[in-house]
Amino acid sequence: NAGVTQTPKFQVLKTGQSMTLQCAQDMNHNSMYWYRQDPGMGLRLIYYSASEGTTDKGEVPNGYNVSRLNKREFSLRLESAAPSQTSVYFCASSVSQPQHFGDGTRLSIL
Amino acid sequence: QKEVEQDPGPLSVPEGAIVSLNCTYSNSAFQYFMWYRQYSRKGPELLMYTYSSGNKEDGRFTAQVDKSSKYISLFIRDSQPSDSATYLCAMKGPGGSYIPTFGRGTSLIVHP
Repeated sequence: NAGVTQTPKFQVLKTGQSMTLQCAQDMNHNSMYWYRQDPGMGLRLIYYSASEGTTDKGEVPNGYNVSRLNKREFSLRLESAAPSQTSVYFCASSVSQPQHFGDGTRLSIL
Repeated sequence: QKEVEQDPGPLSVPEGAIVSLNCTYSNSAFQYFMWYRQYSRKGPELLMYTYSSGNKEDGRFTAQVDKSSKYISLFIRDSQPSDSATYLCAMKGPGGSYIPTFGRGTSLIVHP
């Protein structure tokens, strides 16, 4: 029972590089979410997808794009990485119940 | 003022102690209340989920909601070193997509 799987687990980028973070869930959940977690800031919602074919901005969407590829997969793209995007990124999924989280992608931008 | 306030700690207790973790909130529309546990280098995992006011017990864990005071608590009895983690509270109002508002988390250390 994999739940929510995120790849990669770690990544180091240089400023200006692009990167796509992948997320897949096998629980047949309709909704998927991307968060970032920074020390002292808690979890902040970047984007979410309430259902396949829809995406909406969260609290901190600037500098990110998302794609809901199908019901299982929701990717997060950084087009031109900036040091301020150094963070731990979590993907989550749900269906009218509390969210299930993946184990995160630790991203460092130099 | 953030909608959900949570003391970041760390809270350090000896093994076997009763732990009390708390959150306050300002939005009276919140109806669903959750506690997540997050181990180092892992994602948050749901620990407790309650609706409206009252208590809910699950093993050594008790979640308590006082909507009149806008205050929620998580009690851990007979705490163990394996309980050492960050505990995040989260809450949500009625309707809409399932997007809760999270507290910043309290770091708990249970030492043997």
